[in-house]
Amino acid sequence: DAKTTQPPSMDCAEGRAANLPCNHSTISGNEYVYWYRQIHSQGPQYIIHGLKNNETNEMASLIITEDRKSSTLILPHATLRDTAVYYCIVRVGGLTGGGNKLTFGTGTQLKVEL
Amino acid sequence: SAVISQKPSRDICQRGTSLTIQCQVDSQVTMMFWYRQQPGQSLTLIATANQGSEATYESGFVIDKFPISRPNLTFSTLTVSNMSPEDSSIYLCSVSASSGNTIYFGEGSWLTVV
Repeated sequence: DAKTTQPPSMDCAEGRAANLPCNHSTISGNEYVYWYRQIHSQGPQYIIHGLKNNETNEMASLIITEDRKSSTLILPHATLRDTAVYYCIVRVGGLTGGGNKLTFGTGTQLKVEL
Repeated sequence: SAVISQKPSRDICQRGTSLTIQCQVDSQVTMMFWYRQQPGQSLTLIATANQGSEATYESGFVIDKFPISRPNLTFSTLTVSNMSPEDSSIYLCSVSASSGNTIYFGEGSWLTVV
């Protein structure tokens, strides 16, 4: 799986949008971009994933650049409960060819403050 | 998404003993995995639990230390054998449905070895 680069930490004011960047310059054509978060003492929570189009769900939006070498996870109105470590992961889709494995980096510690 | 239950959620274990962690999913899933997260570290895949056959272990993990069972499509166990303080970690069960596009995690089992 392609490696990702994320800033180690970010701060965000409650109610504002949190924009978490991720670089994945060596991503392959069949690799998806996934985002998970881990709130302290809990298991990782799936947020969103995408291949090349921007994606939105009830939790967040994922913006992928046209060359797919970077992406941004957007939490539109961050709350204190969004304080967590956010992991950007690239992997092939499906369960073959190594797609079963999620390779976690060190992620971004997002701190949402009043 | 799948609902994943792990037992125990926490335990304190004596050095040299073994502990079995259970993972129960509320629906049939194609693949089940076990991860470890050591204190202050990111997640590392231990093995893929295969139904009806031996688990597939990642480099650095062996069956004698981490025996795994998966008797059916909704249940798996991970045993941490002959524990030492270095085994103090969160152990996480994760699953993937048939499409393989999303992997979900349980809440984890916190083990402290004294």
